[in-house]
Amino acid sequence: EAQVTQNPRYLITVTGKKLTVTCSQNMNHEYMSWYRQDPGLGLRQIYYSMNVEVTDKGDVPEGYKVSRKEKRNFPLILESPSPNQTSLYFCASSFQQGHYEQYFGPGTRLTVT
Amino acid sequence: LAKTTQPISMDSYEGQEVNITCSHNNIATNDYITWYQQFPSQGPRFIIQGYKTKVTNEVASLFIPADRKSSTLSLPRVSLSDTAVYYCLGIDRNGSGNTGKLIFGQGTTLQVKP
Repeated sequence: EAQVTQNPRYLITVTGKKLTVTCSQNMNHEYMSWYRQDPGLGLRQIYYSMNVEVTDKGDVPEGYKVSRKEKRNFPLILESPSPNQTSLYFCASSFQQGHYEQYFGPGTRLTVT
Repeated sequence: LAKTTQPISMDSYEGQEVNITCSHNNIATNDYITWYQQFPSQGPRFIIQGYKTKVTNEVASLFIPADRKSSTLSLPRVSLSDTAVYYCLGIDRNGSGNTGKLIFGQGTTLQVKP
């Protein structure tokens, strides 16, 4: 089944404790992206990757890092999480940049205390 | 910045047709217009895409005027299960031609009532 998976689905952590949210797709897509969703602010793009080893900033990249060493994986790294990063995070992929039919993962709900 | 503007919320009743309009400033000549649907606690789902005139699929229709500065998503005979947030997608080329930076915005929250 074609899908985007994220882990963990739920995470409660403390300020400053490094964490990684994994994202994997099995569709051989070139383009992958991370979003955060907050009430009243909608869905905002954090980082995107157009292919292996090619990443770029979205609208709200501060406090996040990403890497794309393999085509299928695009982890989101929070080196020193803060409470303002409490949010619902979605990973998505599409065939390539310019193809806007994205497939989204189920989401990761992160709480930073 | 390729910002899109759409109503924050809309109400409708079961069986009615719902039209949600999005304005697209600075849309590029070769960009497709794309809409997504998001149910609570789920990731957004692609529903329809078009370049000009009219596109129809099993979920919705999309109307795009000749100047492409707006688009209208049309949901025929909505049911309670169509209650969701609907987004029209913006593309921020930032002068580079790069089409990777995407703008979803707040979307339109559609509430369908019985």
